[in-house]
Amino acid sequence: EADIYQTPRYLVIGTGKKITLECSQTMGHDKMYWYQQDPGMELHLIHYSYGVNSTEKGDLSSESTVSRIRTEHFPLTLESARPSHTSQYLCASSEPLDSSAAQYFGPGTRLLVL
Amino acid sequence: KNQVEQSPQSLIILEGKNCTLQCNYTVSPFSNLRWYKQDTGRGPVSLTIMTFSENTKSNGRYTATLDADTKQSSLHITASQLSDSASYICVVSDRGSTLGRLYFGRGTQLTVWP
Repeated sequence: EADIYQTPRYLVIGTGKKITLECSQTMGHDKMYWYQQDPGMELHLIHYSYGVNSTEKGDLSSESTVSRIRTEHFPLTLESARPSHTSQYLCASSEPLDSSAAQYFGPGTRLLVL
Repeated sequence: KNQVEQSPQSLIILEGKNCTLQCNYTVSPFSNLRWYKQDTGRGPVSLTIMTFSENTKSNGRYTATLDADTKQSSLHITASQLSDSASYICVVSDRGSTLGRLYFGRGTQLTVWP
């Protein structure tokens, strides 16, 4: 079982609200990632980080933002949620020096924007 | 365009039976291929990793094969159990960047019935 945690697991909010999805890992990994996954579809990388104070946008355009102030913490923020943001958000981390290292995934946050 | 295609999209088998899941990819240059298992409501967990020079790799009742020439991989599950019910995702990594960019398939949804 990977030591990577996400909260909340489920979130239902109204349009226009600001939300932050939390992700933390206790493995000391430098690399962290955020993916978006819709039912029956592939994972899409929306943000990643190589370490503290490093953040990059992924392949899928996203209106969310991320920060990496501490190694173990990689929160994702939506300033104004919309129904199109309804999805599952998965956080992951991996060993820094091995590009073939497995990514360890958190349990995900299922977001529903009404 | 780099892609990963999986088949079948969904599969139902009886407990104790064997099954084989397929993955075709066009990712180039190729670094490695992983199979992940994603239980409902959980994040994906790595089952196997295969590099260019490897033809087969086993992890308990899971056996993955790779044909790098035809760019095909399969995941064979032997003596299926109810706990094998999950989505199985094929993920291919390229050698094009230090990030080791990942290309995800949409997964095969396996259901094992008693």
